[in-house]
Amino acid sequence: RKEVEQDPGPFNVPEGATVAFNCTYSNSASQSFFWYRQDCRKEPKLLMSVYSSGNEDGRFTAQLNRASQYISLLIRDSKLSDSATYLCVVNPRGSARQLTFGSGTQLTVLP
Amino acid sequence: EAGVAQSPRYKIIEKRQSVAFWCNPISGHATLYWYQQILGQGPKLLIQFQNNGVVDDSQLPKDRFSAERLKGVDSTLKIQPAKLEDSAVYLCASSRGQGNEKLFFGSGTQLSVL
Repeated sequence: RKEVEQDPGPFNVPEGATVAFNCTYSNSASQSFFWYRQDCRKEPKLLMSVYSSGNEDGRFTAQLNRASQYISLLIRDSKLSDSATYLCVVNPRGSARQLTFGSGTQLTVLP
Repeated sequence: EAGVAQSPRYKIIEKRQSVAFWCNPISGHATLYWYQQILGQGPKLLIQFQNNGVVDDSQLPKDRFSAERLKGVDSTLKIQPAKLEDSAVYLCASSRGQGNEKLFFGSGTQLSVL
């Protein structure tokens, strides 16, 4: 089983739609969770950290479910500019301080 | 604040040739990472430095890949000899400290091995 697994998509949604991505991780000792965004032919950039209590940043909401070992990203009121690949990032070995990236979920927001 | 600088931007070589990539992290960032990103996949960590010491190189193919971080600042990643499967984008990233902090990535070097 991969350490971090994501649905590759692609997700094609109309502008204004709500879309959600899930990411599962295999090691229950994982302590840190992030979502990165990667535009086509660009480098990844941090979108948001994921906290145990869940967190929200504008139209983006991230949640962590430790019992089921997954994190989620919800995007409300999708914009054309949200089109990108969303990478789930996990620290799979707890204190070992190594970040492992998922393969990414591709989102295309259509006009 | 200047970002992470990488060069070259693109490189095309034939298999069995050698290639080197250079990275200059953000000033003051102690931790430097080299990632390999194959098309359609997420970045895979090759090596992580804390200042000029290696923290993790467990996924670095040491028979052909080598990396160093001179004086805890700039870093070079070398492949010798290259194989077709090394075609990928090589991303350098830095962070202020070690571990669970925001990574800042450079634009990457796109390597094509023919």
